[in-house]
Amino acid sequence: GQQVMQIPQYQHVQEGEDFTTYCNSSTTLSNIQWYKQRPGGHPVFLIQLVKSGEVKKQKRLTFQFGEAKKNSSLHITATQTTDVGTYFCGRQAGTALIFGKGTTLSVSS
Amino acid sequence: DAGVIQSPRHEVTEMGQEVTLRCKPISGHDYLFWYRQTMMRGLELLIYFNNNVPIDDSGMPEDRFSAKMPNASFSTLKIQPSEPRDSAVYFCASSRNTGSFDSPLHFGNGTRLTVT
Repeated sequence: GQQVMQIPQYQHVQEGEDFTTYCNSSTTLSNIQWYKQRPGGHPVFLIQLVKSGEVKKQKRLTFQFGEAKKNSSLHITATQTTDVGTYFCGRQAGTALIFGKGTTLSVSS
Repeated sequence: DAGVIQSPRHEVTEMGQEVTLRCKPISGHDYLFWYRQTMMRGLELLIYFNNNVPIDDSGMPEDRFSAKMPNASFSTLKIQPSEPRDSAVYFCASSRNTGSFDSPLHFGNGTRLTVT
């Protein structure tokens, strides 16, 4: 299956700044899942988006699914040091998930 | 809920040796996935099972790799013979039904394999 493209690959921010990562596909997606992997840890599910134009919030995290269902974004407001890690989006391919290469976020206090 | 359990956590072996990674999925999950993570390639899907049956092994890099799921509570990923380029973190994940809001992928802690 075709991999989704994530940008940027790396992002460094000062604590309190906002952060956004983007996930892009050349084909229409049935849904998109987002995961977070802390340094040295394993990916942990954050959320799934299914509907065109869908927006979901989890505290300081805002997830969006594009109107054409070809892109998605994760925005973190006022980053904290606990937000450090790699954020992955995953697209469904049959009954499996194919992940992008992720965006690694580092935060300095 | 014990989560997905992988063993060993770390494996260091010499080139040419056989390596066996083990996974116990969450009870009641009918999908099991093996992923490999490297800096260059990110998280690659190697193979996955549904109800113990391999569904798609197109991600398995070479014939040196094989995976089995003899029952609902156990799976192995074997590399024989191992090569230095196999060094990576291997994750096992399970789910009840991929794509469902109620059933995301649950990952184990991974096995960090180093082949010298």
